[in-house]
Amino acid sequence: EVRLVESGGGLEQPGGSLRLSCAASGFTFKTYNMNWVRLAPGKGLEWISYISSSSSSVYYADSVKGRFTISRDNAKNLLYLQMNSLRAEDTAVYYCARDDLYEKFKVWGQGILVTVSS
Amino acid sequence: DIQMTQSPSSLSASVGDRVTITCRASQGIANYVAWFQHKPGKAPKSLIYAASSLQSGVPSKFSGSGSGTDFTLTITSLQPEDSATYYCQQYNIYPFTFGPGTKVDIK
Repeated sequence: EVRLVESGGGLEQPGGSLRLSCAASGFTFKTYNMNWVRLAPGKGLEWISYISSSSSSVYYADSVKGRFTISRDNAKNLLYLQMNSLRAEDTAVYYCARDDLYEKFKVWGQGILVTVSS
Repeated sequence: DIQMTQSPSSLSASVGDRVTITCRASQGIANYVAWFQHKPGKAPKSLIYAASSLQSGVPSKFSGSGSGTDFTLTITSLQPEDSATYYCQQYNIYPFTFGPGTKVDIK
């Protein structure tokens, strides 16, 4: 079964850091590009970051550029999102999503809640 | 950045109805549009990719059309389980952007 499972969320103070992980199983992780998407309370879906299968290309939304870093470990089938300088507006459920060549965001994780509050 | 707009922002329809959601891109994006269904507490579900291709396992009551700047998602024979928020997304140019969503309620 193809699965993506996020972890590492929780409550953090403004200015703090968190690292999210996304564990992939049931498919050849190293051959797929990956993304992070978030859903803030009362808001819509927001794409925040992309990483290519080999980590050679990364992209970020302006809202997180310079503060968040996407990375991956293909040997461990893990995708990461390092979140620094957290702000209240980063409070959201964070999803990892597989970037299929044609079907695009076909597979999603169940999401992990990040709350930034003092 | 490419802006995606959707209309309506919400709608209420009856069981059995046909509903259409419109998505417009701020510039031409060929057919690089996907549609997603999202229910509270669940992962978003991909319905359509490449503007009109149905994801495997998605019922044919969902259909997409359009190219360039204007796109539509149509749901036929609306059922209670179709109550959700629907988003379009462009994946032509980074940053990928979603529309603001259309909330569909069942009367």
